[in-house]
Order: sequence, then structure tokens, then C-alpha cells
Amino acid sequence: DVQMTQSPSNLAASPGESVSINCKASKSISKYLAWYQQKPGKANKLLIYSGSTLQSGTPSRFSGSGSGTDFTLTIRNLEPEDFGLYYCQQHNEYPPTFGAGTKLELK
Amino acid sequence: QVQLKETGPGLVQPTQTLSITCTVSGFSLTSYYMQWVRQTPGKGLEWMGFIRSGGSTEYNSEFKSRLSISRDTSKNQVFLKMNSLKTEDTGVYYCARDFRRGVMDAWGQGASVTVSS
Repeated sequence: DVQMTQSPSNLAASPGESVSINCKASKSISKYLAWYQQKPGKANKLLIYSGSTLQSGTPSRFSGSGSGTDFTLTIRNLEPEDFGLYYCQQHNEYPPTFGAGTKLELK
Repeated sequence: QVQLKETGPGLVQPTQTLSITCTVSGFSLTSYYMQWVRQTPGKGLEWMGFIRSGGSTEYNSEFKSRLSISRDTSKNQVFLKMNSLKTEDTGVYYCARDFRRGVMDAWGQGASVTVSS
């Protein structure tokens, strides 16, 4: 199975700032990486797939980059609703595998 | 709009069988693969398996021997059954719609399951 290593585990930032979350795959997954947001009491939300394609409804302040083994989720000009947990997931092969998550907290 | 909702027992005893129902609305089960993913304190998010739009299934080898996924398209429901439960199966179980190639574009809020005597 492809192992996904996500960093950092925790991140503190203020509204208006920009942050980046990294995800590294144990082998090449081409461009096939998705990013999800998780918040308590809400359904997980797909933000980006295929590395950089924004899901319908995802604000343009979110962007994804990378290919092969290294990927980055960048959130520019943080809004209050952006704080929560973020997970990467490779969708290049089965089984799909997830990173351990990054908790984005208010500084 | 697209909605998914899991319902489950909450508490299950070790060695017993877990049954969770995912009821969907806003789309047809015959048009999408449906995935099951769980989140446990020990292993985080884990893919469990899926049922194809045509009704065939695939399972993670980690669970293959004790997991079963089925559906009732007339009721817009997908079912997860897993036997021989252990305390480490405690977690939240999600159903999700597969948008394309393992990408899950709609999720339920999850069914919390505690395995304890």
C-alpha cells in the first residue's frame, strides 16, 4: 500500500495569513492526490483532487500543487471557516490511503 | 441535494457483528460507486471497501475476511456488515460517494461505534 506522510501535524495561523500543508507519498502517485477538510459535526469536504483541480464550490484561496511523490495544499488569506483538520489521500491506486492529518488552529 | 446518512448501533460487544446502514438521497446508487471509510484512534482514516454502481464489491484485504458490503437500490441504502469485532474497531464509520477513481465527493457525517463489553 502507498504510505502518505503529512506535515506538519499541527499548524497555528491567524486570519489573513497564508499556510501550506505538505503530503509525501511512499512512491509515485502521478498527479492523483486529493485534499479533504474535516470539521466536527460536519461531513468531510472534498477540496481538491488530481493534485490541483478545485472541486466545485471550493474557494479560489485554496490551491494544490505537486506530482509524483510531493504535494502541497496552500490556503491564502485564511478565513475563520478554514480552521479545522485537513487530510490528503492518494487516489492513484487501490487501496486509497490517507495522511494522518494536519490540524489548522487559530493563533 | 446530495445527502448521505449513516445509522448504526453505537455500542457493539467484542466478537459480535457490526451493521451500519447508509441512506442516500439526491442521486442514484446505480450511477455511482459507494465507498466505506472508517476513522479509528489507532490507524486514522482507512478505506474499507466499495460497491460498484453495478453491484459488485471490492474490499481492503485488511478486512476482507470479515467485511461485507451490499445495497438495496429500491430503498437508496448501502449496508456495511463486519463480524468478529475487536476493541480496536472502535471509531467512526463513513459512507461516501465515489466521484471518480477513488475521489470521494460526498460523505455522511459518520456513525460512531464503540466496541466494548
